[in-house]
Amino acid sequence: AQSVAQPEDQVNVAEGNPLTVKCTYSVSGNPYLFWYVQYPNRGLQFLLKYITGDNLVKGSYGFEAEFNKSQTSFHLKKPSALVSDSALYFCAVRDMFGDKIIFGKGTRLHILP
Amino acid sequence: DTGVSQDPRHKITKRGQNVTFRCDPISEHNRLYWYRQTLGQGPEFLTYFQNEAQLEKSRLLSDRFSAERPKGSFSTLEIQRTEQGDSAMYLCASSLRELVRDEQFFGPGTRLTVL
Repeated sequence: AQSVAQPEDQVNVAEGNPLTVKCTYSVSGNPYLFWYVQYPNRGLQFLLKYITGDNLVKGSYGFEAEFNKSQTSFHLKKPSALVSDSALYFCAVRDMFGDKIIFGKGTRLHILP
Repeated sequence: DTGVSQDPRHKITKRGQNVTFRCDPISEHNRLYWYRQTLGQGPEFLTYFQNEAQLEKSRLLSDRFSAERPKGSFSTLEIQRTEQGDSAMYLCASSLRELVRDEQFFGPGTRLTVL
């Protein structure tokens, strides 16, 4: 069965510092990986995806993610955090047999001013 | 606004009542998905449609739940005889099925509270 794991419930980062939100995955076959962000009282917003190609994927709002096949990881990164980045972040994998998305439990990111 | 819309945004109901939610996808999208999100958890897949055909249903979707997409445009999700455990955020998403797998765009959700 396909799954993703987000080992950290919460990550605290000082504004201006680099941030990393961790994600590991388990899939059969080629992974289709995503990061979504959820702000309070708003729906999920797509940040970026990995389907194939370069291991470093660039997305919205200055975020990027590094795909590492040997470590089965897809960590979300940003070089310099903003207070406005504070939100709930979800890593997800597309089911290879259908099109549903399987989400991790989420990581709450707090950017401290 | 050309995004996914959901109505209502909030619904409070008493246990045992029926509720219906509506989702309007992005107009050119042919796939529509329903997810449920409870506090502290990621969204969980419920069901999805390609045009008007319901292609997959999760085991989470009990007999009290039914979803339709009668004309391949908007969709409704009905919960009959609601239970307190049904309290959750119900999310709708849409996508355009193409050769290259496309991302799903989510609506703001309908928050259901069952008293």
